Amino acid sequence: DTAVSQTPKYLVTQMGNDKSIKCEQNLGHDTMYWYKQDSKKFLKIMFSYNNKELIINETVPNRFSPKSPDKAHLNLHINSLELGDSAVYFCASSQVIGLAGSYEQYFGPGTRLTVT
Amino acid sequence: RKEVEQDPGPFNVPEGATVAFNCTYSNSASQSFFWYRQDCRKEPKLLMSVYSSGNEDGRFTAQLNRASQYISLLIRDSKLSDSATYLCVVNIATGRRALTFGSGTRLQVQP
Repeated sequence: DTAVSQTPKYLVTQMGNDKSIKCEQNLGHDTMYWYKQDSKKFLKIMFSYNNKELIINETVPNRFSPKSPDKAHLNLHINSLELGDSAVYFCASSQVIGLAGSYEQYFGPGTRLTVT
Repeated sequence: RKEVEQDPGPFNVPEGATVAFNCTYSNSASQSFFWYRQDCRKEPKLLMSVYSSGNEDGRFTAQLNRASQYISLLIRDSKLSDSATYLCVVNIATGRRALTFGSGTRLQVQP
């Protein structure tokens, strides 16, 4: 069983289009994330939802809008796509464990977005 | 200064070699530390958590030095399958449910 799944795996689209990426986790975790990994392989957090509530919103253009219909799903909608949006987008989920509040994150397989 | 810094490598080592990676973090209040592994065109996967007392998992040993704010990963008896990018990961703030990733150190184990 896939723990964290994303669709689509590849997305090729033209500048100016609007697209969505979907993410689902079946681990029962209460927190989900979106990360962007650019061409230099640097992985940077974009958003985080805890129990459907937005808790982290990094400096991301407002063309990017996350939506969490329930704890198991976190979708990412991108308006007016630009060339610089080309990257791999990873969804992840986590659950706080232990008194120290440590936790591990589990990543989806990624969505490779190419904007032409 | 970056929040989490790593030597990007690549580290090219022969099979059977021992190799060590270091990572430094800037926020002294950081709470949790991890090493993730990322294969080419794949998602990052947790390799091991890093505890204050140090921990070992088979050929892999992780150490944390809070005073100097660095984390290390030692791989003994390198295998070809160890070739990957190793990401140093830190939770830089208590209660902030997000991890900060280093840019990764690439390891290439050669036959």
